[in-house]
Amino acid sequence: QKEVEQDPGPLSVPEGAIVSLNCTYSNSAFQYFMWYRQYSRKGPELLMYTYSSGNKEDGRFTAQVDKSSKYISLFIRDSQPSDSATYLCALEGGNNNDMRFGAGTRLTVKP
Amino acid sequence: EAQVTQNPRYLITVTGKKLTVTCSQNMNHEYMSWYRQDPGLGLRQIYYSMNVEVTDKGDVPEGYKVSRKEKRNFPLILESPSPNQTSLYFCASSSAGGQPQHFGDGTRLSIL
Repeated sequence: QKEVEQDPGPLSVPEGAIVSLNCTYSNSAFQYFMWYRQYSRKGPELLMYTYSSGNKEDGRFTAQVDKSSKYISLFIRDSQPSDSATYLCALEGGNNNDMRFGAGTRLTVKP
Repeated sequence: EAQVTQNPRYLITVTGKKLTVTCSQNMNHEYMSWYRQDPGLGLRQIYYSMNVEVTDKGDVPEGYKVSRKEKRNFPLILESPSPNQTSLYFCASSSAGGQPQHFGDGTRLSIL
């Protein structure tokens, strides 16, 4: 079993839809949770960074962490074609500050 | 502008021909790392460096070397590349280990 599981998609939604992206993990040592967005031919860029269970909102984006279930989510409201990208979850924790990435979910938002 | 710069962006080469991918950051970051990205496997860490002259193996270090002689530079060396090292490579930096990282735009290596 991988330490971090993320559905690779692809996921296709119409413009304006609410998008839900998810990751599950197995190691309870993970304490910090991130979401990165990666456009084609570009490196990942940080979208959200959180370290506690609960919700964190930034504009149209909401990151949700449930440590008891080892489940994290990213919600995108009013999705736009410019949101079309691959979204990677990343988790950090443990003695060596181990960082683990999900495989990424490819999202397409159609006009 | 804060950035991580990798060169080259694309390279096609042959088995056994030594190559170096350069990485430079202008944010005075202590921590730098190299990843490879393969379909279905996500980003896997090759090597990382907590500071100048301090490097350590990540999850997939076999066949790679790194050095950190200056704070801003962290080159990745493939001394005898093989086809299974064909991949998309990313350099990243952060203020400290475990912190969110800034990534370069990637280097696509094809080894024939």
